[in-house]
Amino acid sequence: DIQMTQSPSTLSASVGDRVTITCRASQSISSWLAWYQQKPGKAPKLLIYKASSLESGVPSRFSGSGSGTEFTLTISSLQPDDFATYYCQQYNSPWTFGQGTKVEIK
Amino acid sequence: EVQLVESGGGLVQPGGSLRLSCAASGFTFSSYAMHWVRQAPGKGLEYVSAISSNGGSTYYANSVKGRFTISRDNSKNTLYLQMGSLRAEDMAVYYCARGSPMVGFDYWGQGTLVTVSS
Repeated sequence: DIQMTQSPSTLSASVGDRVTITCRASQSISSWLAWYQQKPGKAPKLLIYKASSLESGVPSRFSGSGSGTEFTLTISSLQPDDFATYYCQQYNSPWTFGQGTKVEIK
Repeated sequence: EVQLVESGGGLVQPGGSLRLSCAASGFTFSSYAMHWVRQAPGKGLEYVSAISSNGGSTYYANSVKGRFTISRDNSKNTLYLQMGSLRAEDMAVYYCARGSPMVGFDYWGQGTLVTVSS
């Protein structure tokens, strides 16, 4: 199975900061990568699919990049609503999640 | 509006069984693969199982293979997860999700909690 490794596990940031989360795959997954946001007690929400495509309704401050084995999620200017846990997921073969990155208030 | 509503969670003893359901509405259920994902308390997301749109193909994570069975009834727009030989490590919130080959999992239910304890 393909392993997904996210870094960092926890990230402390302030409102307005630019934030970057990295996700690495144990083998190439082309661009079959999604990013999800999850808040406590809620279901995950799709943010980015196919590595860099923004899901409808998601603010443009979220962006994704990468292909092959290395991917990033960037939040250009962190907003109060963005403090949450973020997960990457490969859906190349078959499906695997990263361990998550918690973005907390600095 | 797409809706996925899970039910069937609850308290079960180790070694016991439970069947989860996921009622779908707002889309053509029979056109989509469906998935189960779980999250143990305070932990990350763990992929559990998948079923193709017509039910002809299934997939299980190694951690549940041989103990869980995924199925669907397209006439009832409902997804199921039959869980057997339950262990303490199966205790989690179980989410159903709609799968799309191009985007991943675009809609999720609210989750149902399974507690395994004597």
